[in-house]
Amino acid sequence: AQTVTQSQPEMSVQEAETVTLSCTYDTSESDYYLFWYKQPPSRQMILVIRQEAYKQQNATENRFSVNFQKAAKSFSLKISDSQLGDAAMYFCAYRRGGGNKLVFGAGTILRVKS
Amino acid sequence: DAEITQSPRHKITETGRQVTLACHQTWNHNNMFWYRQDLGHGLRLIHYSYGVQDTNKGEVSDGYSVSRSNTEDLPLTLESAASSQTSVYFCASSDSPANTGELFFGEGSRLTVL
Repeated sequence: AQTVTQSQPEMSVQEAETVTLSCTYDTSESDYYLFWYKQPPSRQMILVIRQEAYKQQNATENRFSVNFQKAAKSFSLKISDSQLGDAAMYFCAYRRGGGNKLVFGAGTILRVKS
Repeated sequence: DAEITQSPRHKITETGRQVTLACHQTWNHNNMFWYRQDLGHGLRLIHYSYGVQDTNKGEVSDGYSVSRSNTEDLPLTLESAASSQTSVYFCASSDSPANTGELFFGEGSRLTVL
């Protein structure tokens, strides 16, 4: 069974600084997708970024980028120029290619200090 | 706009009572999922459905049931609520993985079992 591990229960970052959230996963599949979701205090789950395993180029969405290391099974999220609105719980998730179910990590709480 | 709605948003019940959480989506998605969110565990899959009359158990299905009589709805029933089922419950739906396969979430239902 696939597993997703987020080893940082909590992280803090100063406003305007850069922070990296870690995620590792375990799978024997070669075709899969990885995701980062943001959950602010409103509880709404918001898709931040997705990465297809077959793509070597790291995905980027504005201030959010990933470092996808397929051989190491690592998928970290970098947030640049952190803003107060980035404070949230962040979940890493995995989906097998052709599959429908997402497997989630335990989450990392990100606090942003002004 | 298409959406996915859950009700009730908050519920308090007593041990042993039957509880049903409703989920309704207007995306016309075949795939629907129920997750529970607990601190330290992230989101764990309870049940899922890939179409009308189809239901499947997830990793934490004991004490829960679902039924799928139409495309739009996947109600989650707790047959005899237990304190261990105090949690936040999320319903989600997705398109075929042949398309984006993106998961769309409801706003969550917080259930407290006393």
